[in-house]
Amino acid sequence: AQSVTQPDIHITVSEGASLELRCNYSYGATPYLFWYVQSPGQGLQLLLKYFSGDTLVQGIKGFEAEFKRSQSSFNLRKPSVHWSDAAEYFCAVGGGATNKLIFGTGTLLAVQP
Amino acid sequence: DVKVTQSSRYLVKRTGEKVFLECVQDMDHENMFWYRQDPGLGLRLIYFSYDVKMKEKGDIPEGYSVSREKKERFSLILESASTNQTSMYLCASTRGSIGNEQFFGPGTRLTVL
Repeated sequence: AQSVTQPDIHITVSEGASLELRCNYSYGATPYLFWYVQSPGQGLQLLLKYFSGDTLVQGIKGFEAEFKRSQSSFNLRKPSVHWSDAAEYFCAVGGGATNKLIFGTGTLLAVQP
Repeated sequence: DVKVTQSSRYLVKRTGEKVFLECVQDMDHENMFWYRQDPGLGLRLIYFSYDVKMKEKGDIPEGYSVSREKKERFSLILESASTNQTSMYLCASTRGSIGNEQFFGPGTRLTVL
């Protein structure tokens, strides 16, 4: 079955510390992978996406993610977290002509001073 | 920039009422989606549409219907609202070609009393 797992429901990091949010997927075909961010009370905004090619992709706001096919993972990273990064982060996998997505349950990030 | 708008940010309805949630996109996207978002469950697909007057059920269609009479507008209908439909509802749209990301509206927080 197709699925996305985000094992960390809630993460707290200190401002300036590095961040890694985990995402594992199960998908029968070549996956298209996405990370979205949702600030409080807002819709989802795309951070980055991976389709093919270089397995390390750069996104907005200083985020990057690495696709590891052997581990079925697509972890999101940021070298130095800012207080404004506090939000909920969703990993998603998709494919096919309709661009339907399967979302993970999200990771809520808190940033402490 | 792509813009996806939803008719209401907050909505309070009573059990048994018929509820309409409207979504409009301004980028001529072929595909449109309705999700509900609940804490700990992530985003779950209710219905999607890949063309005018075309629709497909998502993962949780029970209690909902949709209408797409014009390309830019996708409506979600709760025929008889129930308290278990209290949730955040998110609309999204995307181009029909493979691999395009979904663009999200700001969401409608619906409370059914």
